[in-house]
Amino acid sequence: DADVTQTPRNRITKTGKRIMLECSQTKGHDRMYWYRQDPGLGLRLIYYSFDVKDINKGEISDGYSVSRQAQAKFSLSLESAIPNQTALYFCATESRANTGELFFGEGSRLTVL
Amino acid sequence: KNQVEQSPQSLIILEGKNCTLQCNYTVSPFSNLRWYKQDTGRGPVSLTIMTFSENTKSNGRYTATLDADTKQSSLHITASQLSDSASYICVIREQTGANNLFFGTGTRLTVIP
Repeated sequence: DADVTQTPRNRITKTGKRIMLECSQTKGHDRMYWYRQDPGLGLRLIYYSFDVKDINKGEISDGYSVSRQAQAKFSLSLESAIPNQTALYFCATESRANTGELFFGEGSRLTVL
Repeated sequence: KNQVEQSPQSLIILEGKNCTLQCNYTVSPFSNLRWYKQDTGRGPVSLTIMTFSENTKSNGRYTATLDADTKQSSLHITASQLSDSASYICVIREQTGANNLFFGTGTRLTVIP
């Protein structure tokens, strides 16, 4: 089983719909991140959390929200999806040791029509 | 502004040949620099890590080098295999209070038989 699991892996939705992407991890890491990846732009940080009660905005948080339900779970929500949120979304974890190594999930491909 | 730039954007090589990917950065000071490999449809996986004081680090056929004076890192792949076809991403963690991560946009490598 994967250490970092994302669901769903693929989702097609319509403009204005609410979407939730979920991430769970078995690595026991405190830090969790949500990134989006677009062709030619690389990975960009949406939100991150260093602990259950800690939520921080990344560089592109507008239009997104997150919830850290437990140490192992970090979900990303799009309250009202729009077409330019079509992207590949990655959840990642990192140990508190701050080594800089991120452990990524398999990705969630979201298409907003 | 801290930046990480990678070149070339894409590269096609014959199986068995060597290649070198470049990463130029302005992040300073930094605590570590990592190269990640991202297979198509998968999340990135760490290949190598170097601290500011290290010049080279190997992982099998992958060798990363770092020149702190010119602010350049390279990833050299020896005797390429078809399975090396992937995107390679340079990621740097800054050594300041925020400890932010800076991502390059990646080099897409295709190894052909």
